[in-house]
Amino acid sequence: NAGVTQTPKFQVLKTGQSMTLQCAQDMNHEYMSWYRQDPGMGLRLIHYSVGAGITDQGEVPNGYNVSRSTTEDFPLRLLSAAPSQTSVYFCASSPGQGLYGYTFGSGTRLTVV
Amino acid sequence: AQSVTQLGSHVSVSEGALVLLRCNYSSSVPPYLFWYVQYPNQGLQLLLKYTSAATLVKGINGFEAEFKKSETSFHLTKPSAHMSDAAEYFCAVNTDTGRRALTFGSGTRLQVQP
Repeated sequence: NAGVTQTPKFQVLKTGQSMTLQCAQDMNHEYMSWYRQDPGMGLRLIHYSVGAGITDQGEVPNGYNVSRSTTEDFPLRLLSAAPSQTSVYFCASSPGQGLYGYTFGSGTRLTVV
Repeated sequence: AQSVTQLGSHVSVSEGALVLLRCNYSSSVPPYLFWYVQYPNQGLQLLLKYTSAATLVKGINGFEAEFKKSETSFHLTKPSAHMSDAAEYFCAVNTDTGRRALTFGSGTRLQVQP
């Protein structure tokens, strides 16, 4: 099993550009989440999904869109990149129910110039 | 709502010394608690978790944590630090109600001195 796969690993964008960060899992997990990691702030939840067709906002959703058309994929879209979105982004998945915890991808390091 | 507070953004210990990383949580319903470790330029790896089965939880690499409801704490310990333990450690909470995703603390960077 590949687990949670994120692409790309690195990306540089210009202010105003749009892009999609890809996330795929092969564990048939119902729950998926996107986080951003910034120094001294831990990981903050951007959006999450509890199943195909169901998404909801986390703590810091502004400037990001998500959709969940299949169980396996949960892409994160940056609509118009801003320097404040420079961060490391992690996707994670869980079988469901709080006790299982989440499996994380290896991250995407995004720089917006 | 749920939250996590990690006391000490940086902790430095000598090799062979006790490691103690502090985590306090807030939750209005019974929580599930997790410790994750992140090595440089890598993703997060689960160290251990509390799911109400036992208050003392043992994890990988010799780490353990004790759930203390009266103190709302879930501190991470290891009796003897190794150089390879140098990493960032995150405490996180989840529940079976409300937002179905982890809420993280701000992290503690552990430095191990030779």
